[in-house]
Amino acid sequence: GQQLNQNPQSMFIQEGEDVSMNCTSSSIFNTWLWYKQDPGEGPVLLIALYKAGELTSNGRLTAQFGITRKDSFLNISASIPSDVGIYFCAQPPIQGAQKLVFGQGTRLTINP
Amino acid sequence: ETGVTQSPTHLIKTRGQQVTLRCSSQSGHNTVSWYQQALGQGPQFIFQYYREEENGRGNFPPRFSGLQFPNYSSELNVNALELDDSALYLCASSLVSRANTEAFFGQGTRLTVV
Repeated sequence: GQQLNQNPQSMFIQEGEDVSMNCTSSSIFNTWLWYKQDPGEGPVLLIALYKAGELTSNGRLTAQFGITRKDSFLNISASIPSDVGIYFCAQPPIQGAQKLVFGQGTRLTINP
Repeated sequence: ETGVTQSPTHLIKTRGQQVTLRCSSQSGHNTVSWYQQALGQGPQFIFQYYREEENGRGNFPPRFSGLQFPNYSSELNVNALELDDSALYLCASSLVSRANTEAFFGQGTRLTVV
């Protein structure tokens, strides 16, 4: 079945630093979704990508749909304490299908 | 805030018991999906409901069942609870007519089986 691998699994950074994480897929699909999950909460959609090469920003967050269509990248600039959480990439296994396959997550910890 | 609400927020059950979790979907959404998230893992798809019928199922046994009601709200039922069923259960609502998948999650129900 489809697998998503996220790297790194965890990150420990200083406040103000930039963050970069990525996700690779075992298959080619047409959608990448990036979610953030705070402790005790459900995942919140950050950015959706629908086309290879697409670069989309949401405030200090920028995500790119890789040209190979098998990877995606999420960058956070000038990190702040509220960026702490777990970041998940996700894909629908079939175009238009509603169920999502998630990566195992990247846990971000920020030292003030 | 996504507009997806789940109840209860926390629950403790004994092995062998049955549990029902509830979800109210976001206004305008007609599809509800349920996910199980074990500690330290990403959410795993359980099943999805559309027009009150199951519309896809993940690798979960039949003791996991669900319902969707005419107002698009949904229930997840788990029978014969096992210790490994302890997890965060997430409900996600979406609009099936959208060409691309954007699911919006509730805050989850934390189930502990002892």
